[in-house]
Amino acid sequence: AQSVTQLDSQVPVFEEAPVELRCNYSSSVSVYLFWYVQYPNQGLQLLLKYLSGSTLVKGINGFEAEFNKSQTSFHLRKPSVHISDTAEYFCAAMKTSYDKVIFGPGTSLSVIP
Amino acid sequence: KAGVTQTPRYLIKTRGQQVTLSCSPISGHRSVSWYQQTPGQGLQFLFEYFSETQRNKGNFPGRFSGRQFSNSRSEMNVSTLELGDSALYLCATSLDSNYGYTFGSGTRLTVV
Repeated sequence: AQSVTQLDSQVPVFEEAPVELRCNYSSSVSVYLFWYVQYPNQGLQLLLKYLSGSTLVKGINGFEAEFNKSQTSFHLRKPSVHISDTAEYFCAAMKTSYDKVIFGPGTSLSVIP
Repeated sequence: KAGVTQTPRYLIKTRGQQVTLSCSPISGHRSVSWYQQTPGQGLQFLFEYFSETQRNKGNFPGRFSGRQFSNSRSEMNVSTLELGDSALYLCATSLDSNYGYTFGSGTRLTVV
């Protein structure tokens, strides 16, 4: 079964520093990958997605992610974080277009002033 | 355009009761998925409906059911509520699931 692992449950980082949130997925013939962000008391918001093509994907709010098939990873990066980036981040994957989307356990990003 | 609307936002029920939650998708979105979010288990997939048909189902007991109407609005029902059903129930809609979801704000269910 498809599974998604987020190795860090909490990541503290100072404001304006770079950050990387790690995500690994179980290998499959084909895979679609997503990153979502959840602010307190809200639903999730799509940051970016990888369906095919270029392995470097750019999303909203200055985030980007790189798909690495050999390492089955899809790590999320931002070169300089802001206080407003403090939130829960979820990596998600699906095997095919008609499959269910499976979410990782989430990483809580705390940006320290 | 209007976002995904979930009603009600908050709900308190007692054990043994049943509850119905509603989700109105963005216009044109035919895929509607439901997730249960808890601090211990994270986001757990319940089911997905596409064009009124259940396309995928998670590993939840039969007490959890859903349906989708011709206008793509969806409802989920939980019967014989248990304390462990207390959670945030999130609805996620899309043109099709690989487009990425738009989530509603969720329904916070508390079972006492």
